[in-house]
Amino acid sequence: AQSVTQLGSHVSVSEGALVLLRCNYSSSVPPYLFWYVQYPNQGLQLLLKYTSAATLVKGINGFEAEFKKSETSFHLTKPSAHMSDAAEYFCAVSGRRGGNKLTFGTGTQLKVEL
Amino acid sequence: DGGITQSPKYLFRKEGQNVTLSCEQNLNHDAMYWYRQDPGQGLRLIYYSQIVNDFQKGDIAEGYSVSREKKESFPLTVTSAQKNPTAFYLCASSIGSLGTNEQFFGPGTRLTVL
Repeated sequence: AQSVTQLGSHVSVSEGALVLLRCNYSSSVPPYLFWYVQYPNQGLQLLLKYTSAATLVKGINGFEAEFKKSETSFHLTKPSAHMSDAAEYFCAVSGRRGGNKLTFGTGTQLKVEL
Repeated sequence: DGGITQSPKYLFRKEGQNVTLSCEQNLNHDAMYWYRQDPGQGLRLIYYSQIVNDFQKGDIAEGYSVSREKKESFPLTVTSAQKNPTAFYLCASSIGSLGTNEQFFGPGTRLTVL
């Protein structure tokens, strides 16, 4: 079975500082990985996805993530945080078999302070 | 505009009553999904459908039922057998069922059982 672990349920950064949200996966085969963002009382929006092409994936709103097989990680980063980045972020994994059912992490709430 | 609509946004029901949540998409997507979101637990898959007139149980299907009679519609019924139905429910769709296919999410329905 595949799973993802998001370290840190809450992360706080200053505006302009680096954002780093951690995601580690567990999968018996190379997975497909996704990062989604959720604003309060809304649905999820895709930030970026890894589908075994380039290991460094660029997404929307200045976010990017790097797939590191040796570390089984897919951490999300943004060089400079903006107040509008405050939201909840979810890492998710799908497999190469059985369709694209997503298994989500428990989420990381990002707070951006002045 | 293409997208996924869920109605209503907020729903209140008395304990012991069945309730049906609506999900409609005009993206011409084949696959549709229902997730339940609880604080601190991420999203968990209830049911999914890869094609019209077919659907499969997800990880937490007990106490729920679905139908897929039309490509654009995937209603979810929360039955009285669901022991803890109060949650935020999210519907999603994807163009196909490959692991690389992005899932698009609706705005969600918040169900409160009194």
